[in-house]
Parts: sequence; C-alpha cells; structure tokens
Amino acid sequence: GQQLNQSPQSMFIQEGEDVSMNCTSSSIFNTWLWYKQDPGEGPVLLIALYKAGELTSNGRLTAQFGTTRKDSFLNISASIPSDVGIYFCAGQYKGGSEKLVFGKGTKLTVNP
Amino acid sequence: ETGVTQTPRHLVMGMTNKKSLKCEQHLGHNAMYWYKQSAKKPLELMFVYSLEERVENNSVPSRFSPECPNSSHLFLHLHTLQPEDSALYLCASSHVTGLEAFFGQGTRLTVV
Repeated sequence: GQQLNQSPQSMFIQEGEDVSMNCTSSSIFNTWLWYKQDPGEGPVLLIALYKAGELTSNGRLTAQFGTTRKDSFLNISASIPSDVGIYFCAGQYKGGSEKLVFGKGTKLTVNP
Repeated sequence: ETGVTQTPRHLVMGMTNKKSLKCEQHLGHNAMYWYKQSAKKPLELMFVYSLEERVENNSVPSRFSPECPNSSHLFLHLHTLQPEDSALYLCASSHVTGLEAFFGQGTRLTVV
C-alpha cells in the first residue's frame, strides 16, 4: 500500500530552538494532517491542510501543503519542554479510497 | 467530556480469554475506526465504519471482531489472541471517512 516517508526519525534539540520535519510521498495527496502523540495517549490533531501551497499556523506551529501535493512540512518555533512527543504526518492520497495513511513519526526531545 | 473515550485504558489478557474494547464518541461524527499501534511501526488501520456499516477490513485476523451498534459506539471483541497482538489499540472518529480523525486515548493491550 501507499507509504509516507517521514523524517527525521528523531530529533534532540535545546529549548528555544526551532524544529522542522517533513513527509514525502510518491503519490499526490488531497489532504495532509499533522498529529502529536504524548506517551500513553492517543494522537492529537494539530493542523489540517487541504490545498496545495496552503500555509497554516497553530500557535508556534506552522505547516505547509507542498505545491507538488506530494509533501508537507511542520515547523515548531521557539521549542519548549512540553513540545516533547512523537509527531505524525497523515494524509489521504488521490485515488486511495477513504482512509488516512500515516507516517512512522518523528520523536522530538527538548532539553531544558 | 472528551470527544472520543476508550475503555479500558489498560488490559492484560491470556491467550484463551475473551475481552472487548469499547469506544464512544461525543462529536456527532459518522465514521469510526480501529487502529493498531505497535512499537516502531506506523499506525495500522484495522477497521472502518461509516454510518454503522463496515466499509473496510484491512486483512485483520478473525480473532479481532468489530461491532458498531450505532454511530456513537464501537467495540472490538478479542478472542484467542497471540502475544504479538500486544499493542496500543486506538479508536478514532471523523465527520466523513478519510478526513480529520480524532483519536481516543487508546487501550494498552498485553497478551500473556
């Protein structure tokens, strides 16, 4: 089935630094979503993107729907300790029926 | 009141036991999902229900049996599971299949 390539797999940063992660696919996607998962909890939706080129912010988080429709980026500015967790991209690809495909996640560690 | 509620949060069961996982959504959504999350693997979609009808069964073994009595409730009946079935089982719902999914907190299942 369709897969998403999410990178990096893990990141170790200092508090206050900016973070960037991305997802790529070989297929065209209609929707890109970004989730955060804390240990022992379910994923929480952060940002949803529906149009190529769309740039959407949620506080210190900014995500973009790539113009090729095959990639998406998530940036976190001025990281804080509570940003720790696993970030997942997800999307619905063109011709991919009615289900979401998930990336493997980026594990973020923020050192105070 | 959380949007998607799963019970129990933790479950330990023997390979000969029968148990059920429960999910309830208070968001007025029409679609509900079961996902399996294992270590170092992407989220695996197991079942999709739309308007209480199963629209997708992702080649899941018959020892997992879903039930959707109404659009607000979803169950996953478990019997004769294997140790490799140990994982975090996540329920999710969305207004329309394939769009923004909202997750429950998950049930951490351990099969001994």
